[in-house]
Amino acid sequence: DGGITQSPKYLFRKEGQNVTLSCEQNLNHDAMYWYRQDPGQGLRLIYYSQIVNDFQKGDIAEGYSVSREKKESFPLTVTSAQKNPTAFYLCASSIQGEGWETQYFGPGTRLLVL
Amino acid sequence: AQSVTQLGSHVSVSEGALVLLRCNYSSSVPPYLFWYVQYPNQGLQLLLKYTSAATLVKGINGFEAEFKKSETSFHLTKPSAHMSDAAEYFCAVSEGNGNKLVFGAGTILRVKS
Repeated sequence: DGGITQSPKYLFRKEGQNVTLSCEQNLNHDAMYWYRQDPGQGLRLIYYSQIVNDFQKGDIAEGYSVSREKKESFPLTVTSAQKNPTAFYLCASSIQGEGWETQYFGPGTRLLVL
Repeated sequence: AQSVTQLGSHVSVSEGALVLLRCNYSSSVPPYLFWYVQYPNQGLQLLLKYTSAATLVKGINGFEAEFKKSETSFHLTKPSAHMSDAAEYFCAVSEGNGNKLVFGAGTILRVKS
């Protein structure tokens, strides 16, 4: 089955700790995205990447970092600099042939602070 | 810059009644418009999209939306609500520059039996 997988489903972070959220896709999509979702605020773009070894900041990149070493993978690291990391994190992907704008989402990772 | 306003953070309908979820957008160029649905603790599922073809767009699960340029609206409708439609719905807009979708704040749909 083609799709986007995110792991873990739940993640707990201690104060001062960096944590990494995994996102993998086997859709052969070129672009991948990370969003943060908070209640009543919709989705906000953290980072996106159109090609391997290249990525751009979104609207709320501070306190986060990403890498894109493989087309299939786009991990997100929540660093200790992110003071309010508790949220639902969604990964998405898209392909140029379908219009970059049509994005498909993974099941999400909920990050909680201990 | 593009933006999306979803009128009503919560909408409640009876089972079998019409569903109407409102979305207004602003965009400096002809937009691409999307509706997504999210069930609790899950990712977003694409319901339908408008990409400058027919103004009435049909999606999955019996939903449809009409693009009205004069009203800058893209309201989502379904003739008869089902209990399984209870979820949160997001409207999103893109100006077609490739990568950026801007989402509304979401509308939670409750379906009463």
